[in-house]
Amino acid sequence: AQSVTQLDSQVPVFEEAPVELRCNYSSSVSVYLFWYVQYPNQGLQLLLKYLSGSTLVKGINGFEAEFNKSQTSFHLRKPSVHISDTAEYFCAVSEEGASGSRLTFGEGTQLTVNP
Amino acid sequence: NAGVTQTPKFQVLKTGQSMTLQCAQDMNHEYMSWYRQDPGMGLRLIHYSVGAGITDQGEVPNGYNVSRSTTEDFPLRLLSAAPSQTSVYFCASRDGQGYYAEAFFGQGTRLTVV
Repeated sequence: AQSVTQLDSQVPVFEEAPVELRCNYSSSVSVYLFWYVQYPNQGLQLLLKYLSGSTLVKGINGFEAEFNKSQTSFHLRKPSVHISDTAEYFCAVSEEGASGSRLTFGEGTQLTVNP
Repeated sequence: NAGVTQTPKFQVLKTGQSMTLQCAQDMNHEYMSWYRQDPGMGLRLIHYSVGAGITDQGEVPNGYNVSRSTTEDFPLRLLSAAPSQTSVYFCASRDGQGYYAEAFFGQGTRLTVV
């Protein structure tokens, strides 16, 4: 069965600093990986996704993530964060062949960008 | 574009009451699901549907029922509300084969059971 672990529940950073949000997954088959962002009092929206091909995936708002199959990781990075990036970030995995197209989420990482 | 619409946005229930959370999507997606979000636990799958007339349980189905009579609608019913069901509920839909498709989320329903 698929599972996702986000290694940091809270990440405080200063504006314009780089940030990395860590995600590890567990699965026995091919997986598809996603990062979603949730701004306060809103639903989730897609930041980026890895389906196949290049292991470096670029998303919206300057975020990127690198798929590492040997380490079963999919860490999210941004070279310089803004105050507006303050939000909760969720890593998610979808397993090929899983009935019902289950999307399994990690626990979430609260990114707080301070001035 | 409406996308995924959830109603109501907020609800307070007394223990033992029942209610239905509504979810509708206008993207003709086959896959729909309900999640609950609790602090430190991420989103947990309650029930899901792969098409009209087909539903199945997720990881936390107890105390909830669903039905899917049309492609557009996927209501979630709380049979007898308990304080443990205080949470934020999200409905989501996905297209095509689902497992590689982006999920679209509603704005959520914040439910408090007293």
